[in-house]
Amino acid sequence: AQSVTQLDSQVPVFEEAPVELRCNYSSSVSVYLFWYVQYPNQGLQLLLKYLSGSTLVKGINGFEAEFNKSQTSFHLRKPSVHISDTAEYFCAVTIPQGTQKLVFGQGTRLTINP
Amino acid sequence: DGGITQSPKYLFRKEGQNVTLSCEQNLNHDAMYWYRQDPGQGLRLIYYSQIVNDFQKGDIAEGYSVSREKKESFPLTVTSAQKNPTAFYLCASSMTSYVEQYFGPGTRLTVT
Repeated sequence: AQSVTQLDSQVPVFEEAPVELRCNYSSSVSVYLFWYVQYPNQGLQLLLKYLSGSTLVKGINGFEAEFNKSQTSFHLRKPSVHISDTAEYFCAVTIPQGTQKLVFGQGTRLTINP
Repeated sequence: DGGITQSPKYLFRKEGQNVTLSCEQNLNHDAMYWYRQDPGQGLRLIYYSQIVNDFQKGDIAEGYSVSREKKESFPLTVTSAQKNPTAFYLCASSMTSYVEQYFGPGTRLTVT
């Protein structure tokens, strides 16, 4: 079975500073990886995904993530954050040829301070 | 506009009552999912359906039931057997040939 660990439950940063949200996964087979963002009292929106190919994946809103197979990580980064990036971020994993069930991490609450 | 709708956004019920949450999609997606979200626990899968008239239990199906009579609809019933029903419920859908799931806006259920 797959599992996901988001290493930080809360990350406070100042506006225009860089940020990294950490995600590690566990799986005995190859995986697909996702980052979703959730604004207060809303559903989840897909930020980016890794299926195969280049390990550096670019997403919406200036976010990017790097797949590192040896470290089983998929950390999310943004070089300069804005107040509007304040939200909860979820890392998720599924396996190819499976039932497409997503396994989610516990979430990281990103707070941007002016 | 294509998307997933969930209604109502807020729902209040008394303990011991069954309640049904609506989820409709017009994306022509084959698969649909129900998740429960609690603070600090991420999302947990309740039920999922890959085709009409078929569905499977997820990780926390006890106290819940679903039906999939139409491709575009996947209602979730929270029964009185669910011990802690107060939560935020999210519905999602996906194409069989694609892996990313699209989420609805959610329903916040409060049971007192």
